[in-house]
Amino acid sequence: DAGVIQSPRHEVTEMGQEVTLRCKPISGHNSLFWYRQTMMRGLELLIYFNNNVPIDDSGMPEDRFSAKMPNASFSTLKIQPSEPRDSAVYFCASRDRRNRPESFFGQGTRLTVV
Amino acid sequence: DAKTTQPTSMDCAEGRAANLPCNHSTISGNEYVYWYRQIHSQGPQYIIHGLKNNETNEMASLIITEDRKSSTLILPHATLRDTAVYYCIVSIGGTSYGKLTFGQGTILTVHP
Repeated sequence: DAGVIQSPRHEVTEMGQEVTLRCKPISGHNSLFWYRQTMMRGLELLIYFNNNVPIDDSGMPEDRFSAKMPNASFSTLKIQPSEPRDSAVYFCASRDRRNRPESFFGQGTRLTVV
Repeated sequence: DAKTTQPTSMDCAEGRAANLPCNHSTISGNEYVYWYRQIHSQGPQYIIHGLKNNETNEMASLIITEDRKSSTLILPHATLRDTAVYYCIVSIGGTSYGKLTFGQGTILTVHP
């Protein structure tokens, strides 16, 4: 398996623009997580899906952030409108909750909002 | 989730064992100890986990004290590629949620 695939790897956008980050989890995994990493706050969980259903979105910073998982092989994290303070590395992770304890992380998307 | 405490940084000579400590004095009976590491610019990578027994896999060993209030991750023969931030996380395991709450971790530097 190719692992968790995120796109794009780097994104530079202007303040106010909409940004969409994409994630393809490992085939067969039924849990998906979005994390954000900054120097100031470290790694933070934003949202957790189980079987494509959002279970815990308490980490989503505000209404400008939204996440969807239309099917088991695809998820998006959208920021609209983007702000400079959203600049961070965003990681997607997936897990086979039925059989394995570990989460597998993608390579991340480095977002810069100018 | 229980909170963990780790040293900010540690050094280790290449080829020697790296012993990374972690305190988790408020751990609950159903919480596991997980270790992940993050090599620069990459996503975190799972290393090992345990409940109360010591565990070993191809990457590392995990030693958990009998009272479960602390643990030590052991990299038996550290290499330069083991330089990374190591995170000790306490979380409910098994088929449950599995939420990972990352702290600041320990920056391990392996030098020649």
